[in-house]
Amino acid sequence: EDQVTQSPEALRLQEGESSSLNCSYTVSGLRGLFWYRQDPGKGPEFLFTLYSAGEEKEKERLKATLTKKESFLHITAPKPEDSATYLCAVGEGGGNKLTFGTGTQLKVEL
Amino acid sequence: DGGITQSPKYLFRKEGQNVTLSCEQNLNHDAMYWYRQDPGQGLRLIYYSQIVNDFQKGDIAEGYSVSREKKESFPLTVTSAQKNPTAFYLCASSIQRGTGNSPLHFGNGTRLTVT
Repeated sequence: EDQVTQSPEALRLQEGESSSLNCSYTVSGLRGLFWYRQDPGKGPEFLFTLYSAGEEKEKERLKATLTKKESFLHITAPKPEDSATYLCAVGEGGGNKLTFGTGTQLKVEL
Repeated sequence: DGGITQSPKYLFRKEGQNVTLSCEQNLNHDAMYWYRQDPGQGLRLIYYSQIVNDFQKGDIAEGYSVSREKKESFPLTVTSAQKNPTAFYLCASSIQRGTGNSPLHFGNGTRLTVT
Protein backbone atom coordinates (compact mmCIF):
# COMPACT_ATOMS: atom_id res chain seq x y z
CA GLU A 1 0.00 0.00 0.00
CA ASP A 2 1.24 3.45 -0.92
CA GLN A 3 2.32 5.57 2.02
CA VAL A 4 3.18 9.23 2.33
CA THR A 5 4.61 10.65 5.57
CA GLN A 6 5.24 14.34 6.10
CA SER A 7 7.41 15.86 8.80
CA PRO A 8 7.37 17.82 10.91
CA GLU A 9 3.65 18.07 11.63
CA ALA A 10 4.08 21.72 12.56
CA LEU A 11 6.90 24.19 12.15
CA ARG A 12 7.31 27.68 13.53
CA LEU A 13 9.91 29.95 11.91
CA GLN A 14 11.02 33.50 12.33
CA GLU A 15 10.83 35.67 9.23
CA GLY A 16 13.99 35.06 7.20
CA GLU A 17 14.79 31.75 8.93
CA SER A 18 15.18 29.16 6.15
CA SER A 19 14.12 25.55 6.67
CA SER A 20 12.93 22.40 4.91
CA LEU A 21 9.81 20.27 4.99
CA ASN A 22 10.07 16.54 4.34
CA CYS A 23 7.83 14.13 2.44
CA SER A 24 8.81 10.45 2.60
CA TYR A 25 7.01 8.00 0.36
CA THR A 26 6.77 4.34 -0.52
CA VAL A 27 5.09 3.62 -3.83
CA SER A 28 5.41 1.03 -6.54
CA GLY A 29 6.35 3.02 -9.58
CA LEU A 30 6.22 6.76 -8.91
CA ARG A 31 4.47 8.67 -11.66
CA GLY A 32 4.55 12.05 -9.99
CA LEU A 33 5.06 13.76 -6.64
CA PHE A 34 2.99 16.86 -6.01
CA TRP A 35 3.29 19.72 -3.54
CA TYR A 36 0.31 21.84 -2.60
CA ARG A 37 -0.23 24.81 -0.34
CA GLN A 38 -3.47 25.04 1.64
CA ASP A 39 -4.71 28.11 3.50
CA PRO A 40 -7.30 27.73 6.28
CA GLY A 41 -10.79 27.12 4.92
CA LYS A 42 -9.56 26.95 1.33
CA GLY A 43 -8.80 24.22 -1.17
CA PRO A 44 -5.20 23.16 -1.85
CA GLU A 45 -3.30 25.25 -4.37
CA PHE A 46 -0.94 23.41 -6.70
CA LEU A 47 2.75 24.31 -6.38
CA PHE A 48 5.01 21.74 -8.06
CA THR A 49 5.16 18.38 -9.78
CA LEU A 50 8.33 16.28 -9.67
CA TYR A 51 8.67 13.18 -11.81
CA SER A 52 12.10 11.67 -11.29
CA ALA A 53 14.92 11.53 -8.75
CA GLY A 54 17.25 14.48 -9.03
CA GLU A 55 14.60 16.82 -10.36
CA GLU A 56 14.22 20.27 -8.79
CA LYS A 57 11.59 22.99 -9.21
CA GLU A 58 11.60 26.55 -7.88
CA LYS A 59 9.01 29.23 -7.35
CA GLU A 60 9.84 32.42 -5.49
CA ARG A 61 11.09 31.37 -2.03
CA LEU A 62 10.18 27.70 -2.51
CA LYS A 63 12.31 24.94 -3.97
CA ALA A 64 11.22 21.32 -4.26
CA THR A 65 13.64 18.42 -4.69
CA LEU A 66 13.12 14.69 -5.18
CA THR A 67 15.05 11.53 -4.38
CA LYS A 68 13.95 7.92 -4.75
CA LYS A 69 12.52 7.89 -1.22
CA GLU A 70 11.65 11.45 -0.30
CA SER A 71 11.04 15.00 -1.36
CA PHE A 72 11.99 18.22 0.35
CA LEU A 73 10.33 21.58 0.16
CA HIS A 74 12.97 24.16 0.98
CA ILE A 75 11.78 27.57 2.09
CA THR A 76 14.36 30.33 1.81
CA ALA A 77 13.99 33.51 3.86
CA PRO A 78 10.29 32.91 4.54
CA LYS A 79 7.78 35.71 5.07
CA PRO A 80 4.59 35.66 7.15
CA GLU A 81 2.54 35.21 3.97
CA ASP A 82 4.20 31.81 3.50
CA SER A 83 2.27 30.59 6.55
CA ALA A 84 0.01 27.73 5.42
CA THR A 85 -0.28 23.96 5.46
CA TYR A 86 1.89 22.29 2.86
CA LEU A 87 0.63 18.99 1.45
CA CYS A 88 2.54 16.33 -0.42
CA ALA A 89 0.90 13.71 -2.65
CA VAL A 90 2.16 10.86 -4.82
CA GLY A 91 0.70 9.21 -7.87
CA GLU A 92 1.64 5.62 -8.54
CA GLY A 93 2.07 3.83 -11.83
CA GLY A 94 -1.18 2.77 -13.44
CA GLY A 95 -3.33 4.31 -10.77
CA ASN A 96 -6.03 6.89 -10.96
CA LYS A 97 -5.63 8.49 -7.59
CA LEU A 98 -3.17 10.39 -5.48
CA THR A 99 -2.13 9.40 -1.96
CA PHE A 100 -1.83 12.44 0.28
CA GLY A 101 0.24 13.05 3.37
CA THR A 102 -1.25 14.75 6.42
CA GLY A 103 0.64 17.97 5.80
CA THR A 104 3.05 20.30 7.58
CA GLN A 105 1.52 23.36 9.18
CA LEU A 106 3.97 26.23 8.77
CA LYS A 107 3.80 29.42 10.78
CA VAL A 108 6.19 32.27 9.96
CA GLU A 109 6.39 35.02 12.54
CA LEU A 110 7.76 38.55 12.39
CA ASP B 1 -10.92 33.12 -14.93
CA GLY B 2 -11.20 29.35 -15.19
CA GLY B 3 -11.66 27.38 -12.04
CA ILE B 4 -13.72 25.09 -9.86
CA THR B 5 -16.72 26.40 -7.98
CA GLN B 6 -18.09 24.55 -4.99
CA SER B 7 -21.29 25.55 -3.30
CA PRO B 8 -22.38 26.20 -0.70
CA LYS B 9 -19.32 27.06 1.40
CA TYR B 10 -21.05 25.96 4.60
CA LEU B 11 -23.87 23.44 4.90
CA PHE B 12 -25.78 22.31 7.96
CA ARG B 13 -28.08 19.30 8.02
CA LYS B 14 -29.91 17.15 10.50
CA GLU B 15 -28.94 13.54 10.87
CA GLY B 16 -30.91 11.28 8.56
CA GLN B 17 -31.19 13.78 5.72
CA ASN B 18 -29.51 13.43 2.37
CA VAL B 19 -27.59 16.46 1.12
CA THR B 20 -26.06 17.31 -2.26
CA LEU B 21 -22.85 19.30 -2.70
CA SER B 22 -22.35 21.15 -5.95
CA CYS B 23 -19.15 21.21 -8.02
CA GLU B 24 -18.82 23.04 -11.35
CA GLN B 25 -15.66 23.53 -13.43
CA ASN B 26 -14.97 25.64 -16.51
CA LEU B 27 -11.45 24.34 -17.11
CA ASN B 28 -12.62 21.87 -19.78
CA HIS B 29 -11.03 19.07 -17.76
CA ASP B 30 -12.08 15.50 -18.42
CA ALA B 31 -11.52 14.11 -14.94
CA MET B 32 -13.20 15.19 -11.72
CA TYR B 33 -12.79 14.00 -8.13
CA TRP B 34 -14.30 14.26 -4.69
CA TYR B 35 -12.10 14.17 -1.61
CA ARG B 36 -12.87 14.35 2.06
CA GLN B 37 -10.55 16.11 4.51
CA ASP B 38 -10.62 15.45 8.25
CA PRO B 39 -8.26 16.89 10.88
CA GLY B 40 -5.05 14.90 11.20
CA GLN B 41 -5.74 12.80 8.12
CA GLY B 42 -4.65 13.06 4.52
CA LEU B 43 -7.21 13.78 1.84
CA ARG B 44 -9.21 10.65 1.07
CA LEU B 45 -10.78 9.90 -2.31
CA ILE B 46 -14.54 9.35 -2.34
CA TYR B 47 -15.39 9.10 -6.05
CA TYR B 48 -13.86 10.06 -9.35
CA SER B 49 -15.03 10.39 -12.93
CA GLN B 50 -12.81 10.30 -15.98
CA ILE B 51 -15.51 10.95 -18.54
CA VAL B 52 -19.17 11.96 -18.76
CA ASN B 53 -21.63 9.27 -17.66
CA ASP B 54 -18.91 7.21 -15.99
CA PHE B 55 -17.55 7.25 -12.44
CA GLN B 56 -15.59 5.00 -10.10
CA LYS B 57 -15.55 4.44 -6.35
CA GLY B 58 -12.59 5.70 -4.41
CA ASP B 59 -11.34 4.52 -1.05
CA ILE B 60 -14.29 5.68 1.05
CA ALA B 61 -17.34 5.59 -1.23
CA GLU B 62 -19.79 4.01 1.24
CA GLY B 63 -22.64 6.37 2.06
CA TYR B 64 -21.96 8.66 -0.91
CA SER B 65 -23.27 8.85 -4.48
CA VAL B 66 -22.35 10.92 -7.53
CA SER B 67 -23.47 11.65 -11.08
CA ARG B 68 -21.66 12.99 -14.13
CA GLU B 69 -24.27 14.04 -16.65
CA LYS B 70 -22.25 16.99 -17.95
CA LYS B 71 -18.54 17.51 -18.34
CA GLU B 72 -18.68 20.64 -16.21
CA SER B 73 -20.60 19.22 -13.25
CA PHE B 74 -19.94 16.50 -10.67
CA PRO B 75 -22.36 16.73 -7.73
CA LEU B 76 -21.85 14.64 -4.60
CA THR B 77 -24.75 13.37 -2.47
CA VAL B 78 -24.04 12.53 1.14
CA THR B 79 -26.68 10.03 2.15
CA SER B 80 -28.03 9.12 5.56
CA ALA B 81 -26.01 5.89 5.31
CA GLN B 82 -22.75 7.80 5.79
CA LYS B 83 -21.83 7.26 9.45
CA ASN B 84 -19.63 10.30 9.98
CA PRO B 85 -20.61 12.88 7.36
CA THR B 86 -19.30 15.99 9.13
CA ALA B 87 -16.16 16.98 7.22
CA PHE B 88 -14.59 19.36 4.71
CA TYR B 89 -15.37 18.19 1.17
CA LEU B 90 -13.12 19.11 -1.74
CA CYS B 91 -13.87 18.79 -5.43
CA ALA B 92 -10.99 18.66 -7.92
CA SER B 93 -10.34 18.22 -11.61
CA SER B 94 -7.39 17.26 -13.78
CA ILE B 95 -6.70 17.73 -17.45
CA GLN B 96 -5.70 14.10 -17.93
CA ARG B 97 -7.77 11.10 -16.98
CA GLY B 98 -5.06 9.49 -14.88
CA THR B 99 -3.90 11.54 -11.91
CA GLY B 100 -0.62 9.74 -11.56
CA ASN B 101 1.26 12.36 -13.48
CA SER B 102 -0.99 15.39 -13.77
CA PRO B 103 -1.84 17.78 -10.95
CA LEU B 104 -5.26 18.24 -9.42
CA HIS B 105 -6.92 21.64 -9.34
CA PHE B 106 -9.16 22.09 -6.31
CA GLY B 107 -12.21 24.12 -5.46
CA ASN B 108 -12.45 25.95 -2.14
CA GLY B 109 -14.47 23.26 -0.45
CA THR B 110 -17.77 22.81 1.32
CA ARG B 111 -17.79 22.37 5.08
CA LEU B 112 -20.66 20.06 6.00
CA THR B 113 -21.91 19.82 9.55
CA VAL B 114 -24.48 17.18 10.45
CA THR B 115 -26.11 17.25 13.89
